[in-house]
Amino acid sequence: ERVMTQSPATLSVSPGDRATLSCRASQSVSSNLAWYQQKPGQAPRLLIYAASTRAPGIPDRFSGSGSGTEFTLTISSLQSEDFAVYFCQQYNDWPPYTFGQGTKLEI
Amino acid sequence: QVTLKESGPALVKPTETLTLTCTFSGFSLSTSPTRVSWIRQPPGKALEWLARIDWDDDEFYSTSLKTRLTISKDTSKNLVVLTMTNMDPMDTATYYCARANDDSDDAFDVWGPGTMVTVSS
Repeated sequence: ERVMTQSPATLSVSPGDRATLSCRASQSVSSNLAWYQQKPGQAPRLLIYAASTRAPGIPDRFSGSGSGTEFTLTISSLQSEDFAVYFCQQYNDWPPYTFGQGTKLEI
Repeated sequence: QVTLKESGPALVKPTETLTLTCTFSGFSLSTSPTRVSWIRQPPGKALEWLARIDWDDDEFYSTSLKTRLTISKDTSKNLVVLTMTNMDPMDTATYYCARANDDSDDAFDVWGPGTMVTVSS
């Protein structure tokens, strides 16, 4: 089972800042990685798949990079609506699909 | 517009069997290569994938929960059902169903709003 580890657990930033979130896989997942955003009381929303492809309707301030075991989600200029929890997920080696434990982006 | 919605009991007792239904619209689960998964999230914790059913009836399960889970579909009614036996308080969570297909490279591109299930006597 691929273990996904996200860092940091919490990231304190200000609106307009650039945020960089990390996700590490215990073994290579190639580029089979997705990022999701989750706001309180809501379901996750797909942001990025195939490590770097934005899902339809996702603003271009969100970008993903990486392959193998190291991945990054970058939010170039934080808006108020971006403060949420972000999860990475691998779909290279399944079952099971596995998720990271999340990074909380807080003001 | 693609939508999914989960339904089921909000409260179950320990040892009981949980049955959840995912009702969807805007796509067909008889069309390749669509698949629907169930995923859960205990309060304040991470997401855990449970099971998946494909357009061609293939079924896949979490290795740790496989003996307790059954997933099925009714294509004519556009629904997917998950049963989980021998419920325990540790199974308290919000349960989501989500779609994946090749357009999203097997990522979960549309999620239901989730249904909260509490396991307590």
